Amino acid sequence: DAKTTQPPSMDCAEGRAANLPCNHSTISGNEYVYWYRQIHSQGPQYIIHGLKNNETNEMASLIITEDRKSSTLILPHATLRDTAVYYCIVRTLSTGNQFYFGTGTSLTVIP
Amino acid sequence: DARVTQTPRHKVTEMGQEVTMRCQPILGHNTVFWYRQTMMQGLELLAYFRNRAPLDDSGMPKDRFSAEMPDATLATLKIQPSEPRDSAVYFCASGPPSETQYFGPGTRLLVL
Repeated sequence: DAKTTQPPSMDCAEGRAANLPCNHSTISGNEYVYWYRQIHSQGPQYIIHGLKNNETNEMASLIITEDRKSSTLILPHATLRDTAVYYCIVRTLSTGNQFYFGTGTSLTVIP
Repeated sequence: DARVTQTPRHKVTEMGQEVTMRCQPILGHNTVFWYRQTMMQGLELLAYFRNRAPLDDSGMPKDRFSAEMPDATLATLKIQPSEPRDSAVYFCASGPPSETQYFGPGTRLLVL
């Protein structure tokens, strides 16, 4: 699976949009971009995933560049409960294929 | 709201004791994963199963760790004998084939 690069930490004001970037310049054509987050002392939580098109769900939006070498996770209205470590992962959908969690981005939402 | 459950949530034991951690995957999921998380190493995959058969356990120390799925509703991870370096949070995750993994709350293990 391709490697990802994320900033180690970010701050965001409560109520504002949080934009978390991820670089995956070696991504291959059949690799999806997944985002998980881990709130302190909890298990990782699935947020969203996509292949080529932008995706949106009730939690977030995923914007993937046309060349697919980078993506941005957008939390439209960050709350204090969004403070967590956010992991960007690229993987193929082979059966049983594991997720490689890097170090992620530690997002702090500030009141 | 279907969730992965793990027991116990916390475990304190002494070095040399056997530790058994249990996981109940989400009904209908046929892949199960065991991860370990420490401050130093982050999240590491220990083993995973598909349809109860082990597909990869290369991440596990073979001499002391073992993982099994006695049936579709139960996965176990055993450490015998336990050592202080095994202290970590152990997560179980389940998922349908080729799709998203859903994680349990974890078992926090402290080996004294």
